[in-house]
Amino acid sequence: ETGVTQTPRHLVMGMTNKKSLKCEQHLGHNAMYWYKQSAKKPLELMFVYNFKEQTENNSVPSRFSPECPNSSHLFLHLHTLQPEDSALYLCASSQERGGGQETQYFGPGTRLLVL
Amino acid sequence: GQNIDQPTEMTATEGAIVQINCTYQTSGFNGLFWYQQHAGEAPTFLSYNVLDGLEEKGRFSSFLSRSKGYSYLLLKELQMKDSASYLCAVMDSNYQLIWGAGTKLIIKP
Repeated sequence: ETGVTQTPRHLVMGMTNKKSLKCEQHLGHNAMYWYKQSAKKPLELMFVYNFKEQTENNSVPSRFSPECPNSSHLFLHLHTLQPEDSALYLCASSQERGGGQETQYFGPGTRLLVL
Repeated sequence: GQNIDQPTEMTATEGAIVQINCTYQTSGFNGLFWYQQHAGEAPTFLSYNVLDGLEEKGRFSSFLSRSKGYSYLLLKELQMKDSASYLCAVMDSNYQLIWGAGTKLIIKP
């Protein structure tokens, strides 16, 4: 399944580093999402973009900065992260947001470790 | 607050049947989703229920009772490859998905 791809798959970074996560969807969808998944916890929605416009930011710290240049690509820029930010970061897409076509399709995630 | 409850872990035997329950309390309801997630992989969509009743899809079935705030995922003829986490999620009135923490299903030979 290559509908939603994410790179890199694994990332180790220090607290002073700057890195970016990339997501690309090949499904023709208009909504894209960033989630954080920590062990034994529910998925935490971070950001939502609908037709390239950010529609939701769920109180995410400013050290996480999303970018959506077009409906197919989504980035998450990381800067001065903390060890507690270590998690699996998942990207998802859906046909649109709030229009009844809500089934979300996920990428394989980026496993992030902050040292 | 909004809440999704599902068991943390279940164990079943290859070839058997297992039922994974999910109860929810949310602000409004626009459907309930089940996803399967193998370790280290993407969650994959299994089913969507918005009306009461049973939806069957091969070896997997999903049931919904909106009045009880309850759903279950039924897996028949279990195979070793069904070992995974199963995530229940409810779409609230704002079209936001509220996720459960997932049920880790262990299949034994």
